[in-house]
Amino acid sequence: DAGITQSPRHKVTETGTPVTLRCHQTENHRYMYWYRQDPGHGLRLIHYSYGVKDTDKGEVSDGYSVSRSKTEDFLLTLESATSSQTSVYFCAISESRWTGILNTEAFFGQGTRLTVV
Amino acid sequence: DQQVKQNSPSLSVQEGRISILNCDYTNSMFDYFLWYKKYPAEGPTFLISISSIKDKNEDGRFTVFLNKSAKHLSLHIVPSQPGDSAVYFCAGIQGGSEKLVFGKGTKLTVNP
Repeated sequence: DAGITQSPRHKVTETGTPVTLRCHQTENHRYMYWYRQDPGHGLRLIHYSYGVKDTDKGEVSDGYSVSRSKTEDFLLTLESATSSQTSVYFCAISESRWTGILNTEAFFGQGTRLTVV
Repeated sequence: DQQVKQNSPSLSVQEGRISILNCDYTNSMFDYFLWYKKYPAEGPTFLISISSIKDKNEDGRFTVFLNKSAKHLSLHIVPSQPGDSAVYFCAGIQGGSEKLVFGKGTKLTVNP
């Protein structure tokens, strides 16, 4: 299994409180991603990172911020949690290499179930 | 705008038969495609991938076909097994940005 750890695995928080989810990798992969999974929507990209301190927005970035101060850690912060942010959050990592042909591998963490009440 | 589309929310097949899961994309900048399988309460697990310069990649029971002119790819599972019952996600990676974009998934049920 790829070395990706998400913490916490489960969290219940109140509306209006800040929440930070952590993704830690031991694979030294350059790219890291945060997704949310909701019924009927599949996996939607929130933010991603293409290097330390280099991040960009995904399709559902409103209400979320990210930081990457080290290669191995990618933090997702909900500045003021809302009930619409109740979801399962997944972190992923990827790396592309040339082996005569472009070969990309991308792996996911186990997910964090966040409930905002 | 949905860049990766899986238009069939669900698919049901008999054990031993072929399962064909389809995926369409609109972003011509995608240069790599991946398929994932997801069981409830678990993270997606990588299944098979294909570079945009190939039209087929095979790994055991799983084969992915890519038709670039139609912007279409499909995943074939032969023979299907009950343990294959899961949600399958198709994803594209945009060259340069490495942005990894997913479809909404197709729930496959393989009946014994």
